[in-house]
Amino acid sequence: SQQGEEDPQALSIQEGENATMNCSYKTSINNLQWYRQNSGRGLVHLILIRSNEREKHSGRLRVTLDTSKKSSSLLITASRAADTASYFCAGGFNNAGNMLTFGGGTRLMVKP
Amino acid sequence: NAGVTQTPKFRVLKTGQSMTLLCAQDMNHEYMYWYRQDPGMGLRLIHYSVGEGTTAKGEVPDGYNVSRLKKQNFLLGLESAAPSQTSVYFCASRALAGYTFGSGTRLTVV
Repeated sequence: SQQGEEDPQALSIQEGENATMNCSYKTSINNLQWYRQNSGRGLVHLILIRSNEREKHSGRLRVTLDTSKKSSSLLITASRAADTASYFCAGGFNNAGNMLTFGGGTRLMVKP
Repeated sequence: NAGVTQTPKFRVLKTGQSMTLLCAQDMNHEYMYWYRQDPGMGLRLIHYSVGEGTTAKGEVPDGYNVSRLKKQNFLLGLESAAPSQTSVYFCASRALAGYTFGSGTRLTVV
């Protein structure tokens, strides 16, 4: 079963606007990670936020984590057409395999 | 460039045929994973390995076998392919900051 669920499933915005994607998860995590996937390609790691962190920034990316609500958000500021991709959140667990459990993803389209 | 390499990139199998997908990483990572990605379902873990000579089952292991004879290689085998195994398969290895994924193998079973 999927640990994370992204919301919305699809998002279409104009270039220059901000894009916000949300992720909810079911059980306690060690960390929460966000990945981007361009069509037909593998996933690329964007950012990792640990369970004791509340907010993290990386360039135009801002991630928040609310462990009490079991939710996270990814904000992409000043979006560009090149940001068009699917975005996945994944819960990291402190288990034997340090496995990630992925949500179904948000498909983001940024129109030029 | 360092990373995770998957071969082949595409394959069409007939029902009942067998095949092996190869994953190779040159980053000296201990942990490696095989996922499958189906439309609208995100990625689901098939098998994983925490080191050379070790393997373990993930969420959807049935119909697949794996081997990790060398640290840099993680093989995924389909013993008798079924149409339900039509999917895109991704291999990944784990670094401290996150996973590094291969570019995927698109498998169609007819």
